[in-house]
Amino acid sequence: GESVGLHLPTLSVQEGDNSIINCAYSNSASDYFIWYKQESGKGPQFIIDIRSNMDKRQGQRVTVLLNKTVKHLSLQIAATQPGDSAVYFCAENFGSNDYKLSFGAGTTVTVRA
Amino acid sequence: DAGVIQSPRHEVTEMGQEVTLRCKPISGHDYLFWYRQTMMRGLELLIYFNNNVPIDDSGMPEDRFSAKMPNASFSTLKIQPSEPRDSAVYFCASRPSGYRDTQYFGPGTRLTVL
Repeated sequence: GESVGLHLPTLSVQEGDNSIINCAYSNSASDYFIWYKQESGKGPQFIIDIRSNMDKRQGQRVTVLLNKTVKHLSLQIAATQPGDSAVYFCAENFGSNDYKLSFGAGTTVTVRA
Repeated sequence: DAGVIQSPRHEVTEMGQEVTLRCKPISGHDYLFWYRQTMMRGLELLIYFNNNVPIDDSGMPEDRFSAKMPNASFSTLKIQPSEPRDSAVYFCASRPSGYRDTQYFGPGTRLTVL
């Protein structure tokens, strides 16, 4: 079946370095993507989203890149901080009239001091 | 805004007992979602409502699960009878009716069925 998947289940990064989290999607009809951050014991928290008519979107210290040709999504975190340690999920929306999100497996990011 | 509120935060029960999870969405949000999160299956959508009406319950695992939304500010997810395999974290999320608006999640209820 079609699903959203992550290339790497874990990522260890040195504090201050940049982080890149990858996500592959297989549904060509998906037109909206969201990155969520989930800290231990908490619910997923919205980070940034991007629509399929864009290939890049920037937020505060985060950038999402969308490559529709290869169906790939990435989240870049600049100057990674200890507070960035969490599980990161990408989610996709399959298209109009569908308000459901399909979530990937998640990538655990650990920031080393 | 207080965000999505869920109760209880933790629930421990014995197999066969009825469990009721509660959710208060963000005021003004027209959509409400119930998810289940486990290590094995990740985050799964169980059911979602629009304006208090269930729209898609295809993710509800079986008849032991039921969800209601009697008004715009309250929803319940009930499991009767509960089984150990129902142990998971259950999340409620809400979103406004704008096109492609993101979902906002509550803190979750950690359910343990012994």
